[in-house]
This record gives sequence, structure tokens and C-alpha cells, in this order.
Amino acid sequence: EIVLTQSPGTLSLSPGERATLSCRASQSVINNYLAWYQQRPGQAPRLLIYGASSRAPGIADRFSGSGSGTDFTLTISRLEPEDFAVYYCQDYGNSRTFGQGTKVEVK
Amino acid sequence: EVQLLESGGGLVQPGGSLRLSCAASGLTFSTYAMTWVRQAPGKGLEWVAAITDDGGSTWHADSVKGRFTISRDNSKKTLSLQMNSLRAEDTAVYYCVKGSSESRPYYFNYWGQGTLVTVSS
Repeated sequence: EIVLTQSPGTLSLSPGERATLSCRASQSVINNYLAWYQQRPGQAPRLLIYGASSRAPGIADRFSGSGSGTDFTLTISRLEPEDFAVYYCQDYGNSRTFGQGTKVEVK
Repeated sequence: EVQLLESGGGLVQPGGSLRLSCAASGLTFSTYAMTWVRQAPGKGLEWVAAITDDGGSTWHADSVKGRFTISRDNSKKTLSLQMNSLRAEDTAVYYCVKGSSESRPYYFNYWGQGTLVTVSS
């Protein structure tokens, strides 16, 4: 079973800054079936990115995904107040497992 | 608009049973795989169980295998999770989640708001 390791655990940034989140897989993610989800406090998760780099409908273009194989990145180009949340990556091609999450907090 | 509304959560004693339901609307329910995902208090996301569009195939996480059973009724647009032999570690918010297609591989493109299950004496 694939293990996804997200880093850092917590990212402290200010609004307007760029956020770079990492997701590393213990083995290659088949066909780059890697998704990213955002979970705001007290809310259900929502899909941001699928297929490693495709934005879900309605997701702002400041969110972008990249990577392949075992190394993937979620980038938020300029943080808005509503972007401070927890982000999870998921392998949906093999094991359906989630990473442990990265919290983006206000510095 | 896709809506997934979970119900059936609550407080149950260890060893007890509970049945969760998810009512779907705004989608052709019978054409999508469905999943249950849970989140223990203050913890991350854990996939629990999945079922194909026609209910013909199901999968359960090792942590719940033999105790939980996922099922669906396409005529009623309802997804269910029967939970038996509940343990304290099953305490979590349980989310009903829609898959992006009828079978694997699929990502999770719509999530319900969740229902809280608390296992405690």
C-alpha cells in the first residue's frame, strides 16, 4: 500500500504570500492519479486538484498542482484569507490513502 | 446541485451497532461509485468503504473489515453503512462522498457535511 507523506506539517505564512506544499509517495502513483483536497475549519473537505494538475470546477486559478511519479506539489500563488486551512493529498489510483495533511496557518 | 445528506450518527456503547445513511440528490446516483470517509476528532482523513455504481463490488478498509458493510439502494438514491461491533477508535465524523466515475479510478468530487459517531460507555 502506498504511503503518502506531506510536508511541512504546518506552514506559517501571511496573506499574499506563496504557499508550496509537498506530497511524497512511497512508490510511484499510477498514471498520476493524485488529488488534493482543502478542508477549512468546521467544514467538509473539498476537491481542489485531480490528476496531479487539473483544477476541479470552480477552483480559483491561484491553486495549481504539479509533479509526477512519487513527488507532487500543490502551490497557492497568493494566499487569500479563505485559503488558511488544512490540505490533504490522496492517491486514488491504487490505495485511496490520504496523506496526513499540511496546515496552512496565518503567520 | 449535488447534495449528500448523512444521517444516523450518535452516541453508542462499545460493541453496539449503528446504521448510517446518505440521501443523494442533484445527480444520477446510479452512475457513480460512492464512498465513506471518516475523520477522528483532530485527526486526518481515513477511507472506510467504497461501492461501485451498481453495488456489485465493495471494498472495506482493513480497520473495519468484518464489522462494517457498505451498501446502496439506487431506486432510493441512498448509500448506507452498517456498523457493528463498534469500538472507541471508530469515533469520528463520517462523510458520504461521491466518486467522479462509476468505478476505479475515481477521485472524490463531492462530500456531504458529515455525521458524528461517538463510541463511548
